[in-house]
Amino acid sequence: EDKVVQSPLSLVVHEGDTVTLNCSYEVTNFRSLLWYKQEKKAPTFLFMLTSSGIEKKSGRLSSILDKKELSSILNITATQTGDSAIYLCAVINFGNEKLTFGTGTRLTIIP
Amino acid sequence: NAGVTQTPKFQVLKTGQSMTLQCAQDMNHNSMYWYRQDPGMGLRLIYYSASEGTTDKGEVPNGYNVSRLNKREFSLRLESAAPSQTSVYFCASSGDPTTGELFFGEGSRLTVL
Repeated sequence: EDKVVQSPLSLVVHEGDTVTLNCSYEVTNFRSLLWYKQEKKAPTFLFMLTSSGIEKKSGRLSSILDKKELSSILNITATQTGDSAIYLCAVINFGNEKLTFGTGTRLTIIP
Repeated sequence: NAGVTQTPKFQVLKTGQSMTLQCAQDMNHNSMYWYRQDPGMGLRLIYYSASEGTTDKGEVPNGYNVSRLNKREFSLRLESAAPSQTSVYFCASSGDPTTGELFFGEGSRLTVL
């Protein structure tokens, strides 16, 4: 059974700080790793990382995939209150194309 | 842009009652999914449909049934609701599952008393 573990479960920082969120995974046939942001309601897609694309960046957010360590990190620099959300990590199994999500990290940014 | 629309947004049921959650997408996607989200458990896949006319069980299918009525619509039915099914339910769709990009509805909060 595929498994995704995220840490920390929750994190509270001050505006302007830099944060690093962690994701580790076990998947029988790895295709890709994804990051989603969930604010009040629906999760929204941030990044997809694959063996051929192990690093992604968008503005203040960046993510790296470590295939050797079976893990990924999501970095957010110069955090803003709008970054407060649950960040979800997921993996896709190449064999069945199913997504397996982690429990998420709840990030709270204090003004 | 409607995207993925779920109804109802909130529902309270008594144990043993039945209900159907409706989901429709207007993006012409082949793949559709039903997830539930519980505190500390993340998103867990209940059922998914890779295309019209096909459905497959996910991680937690017990107590649920689904119908892929057509390409747009994918409904989730609870035949005899139990308190353990109290959760927030999300419908999602994808044009290409290999990209990992799912488009989610806004969720349906279900409480079973």
